[in-house]
Amino acid sequence: DQQVKQNSPSLSVQEGRISILNCDYTNSMFDYFLWYKKYPAEGPTFLISISSIKDKNEDGRFTVFLNKSAKHLSLHIVPSQPGDSAVYFCAASGVWTDKLIFGTGTRLQVFP
Amino acid sequence: DTAVSQTPKYLVTQMGNDKSIKCEQNLGHDTMYWYKQDSKKFLKIMFSYNNKELIINETVPNRFSPKSPDKAHLNLHINSLELGDSAVYFCASSVESIEETQYFGPGTRLLVL
Repeated sequence: DQQVKQNSPSLSVQEGRISILNCDYTNSMFDYFLWYKKYPAEGPTFLISISSIKDKNEDGRFTVFLNKSAKHLSLHIVPSQPGDSAVYFCAASGVWTDKLIFGTGTRLQVFP
Repeated sequence: DTAVSQTPKYLVTQMGNDKSIKCEQNLGHDTMYWYKQDSKKFLKIMFSYNNKELIINETVPNRFSPKSPDKAHLNLHINSLELGDSAVYFCASSVESIEETQYFGPGTRLLVL
C-alpha cells in the first residue's frame, strides 16, 4: 500500500507562472516531509523540507505547504523557470524511523 | 502486493563483516537502482542496472558490488564493512530509464558497530 502518493505523473507549466506539485499521505504519524528534485541521469537532490509543527516553509522561489488535517502537502514554485524541469519526489518520515518513504514522482516541464 | 521489496529491513553487524542486501521488484521494470541516504537525508545514487547490465556506477568504494541475477533483482553486496557504511540504503526501479518515475523500496537500515 502506497503511504505517500503523487497522483499526477506529469505537469506542464509556462515559464514565469506558478508550478504546484501535490502529494498525499495516509499515515498521520508522519512528522517530517521532504521534496527532492531529480534531473535525468542523476539521483534525487534535496530541495526543501517541512516539519509537522509548521504549515509553511519558504526558500526562495520554493514554498512547501502542509495541511495535516487533509494529509496533503504541496510544493509551489514561483516563478517557474526552464531549469526547474525535472522529476520531483515527495518523501515522508516519522519519529519511529529515520527511513524515508517516497512518492512515485511528478515530472515537471517548464516551457518558454 | 509490494512493488519493490528489500531484505532485510534492518541490519546490525560488526566492522569487517561481509553482508548483502537484496532487492526485488515485481513491476516488470527493466532498470533498478541503489541509493544511499546519509544522516542528513540526502540521497546519493550508487548504481543503476538496466536489464542486468550496469549503466551507472558512481564513485563508491570497491567494497560495494551490485549483483543482478535477473532484471527483477538487484542485490548489493558489501565487503569489509566500515563504520561509515552505516546508512539507509534504498532500492528503486523504473520502466526503462532514469528519467522516468521511480518506485522506491522501503529501505534497509544498516548499522555497523
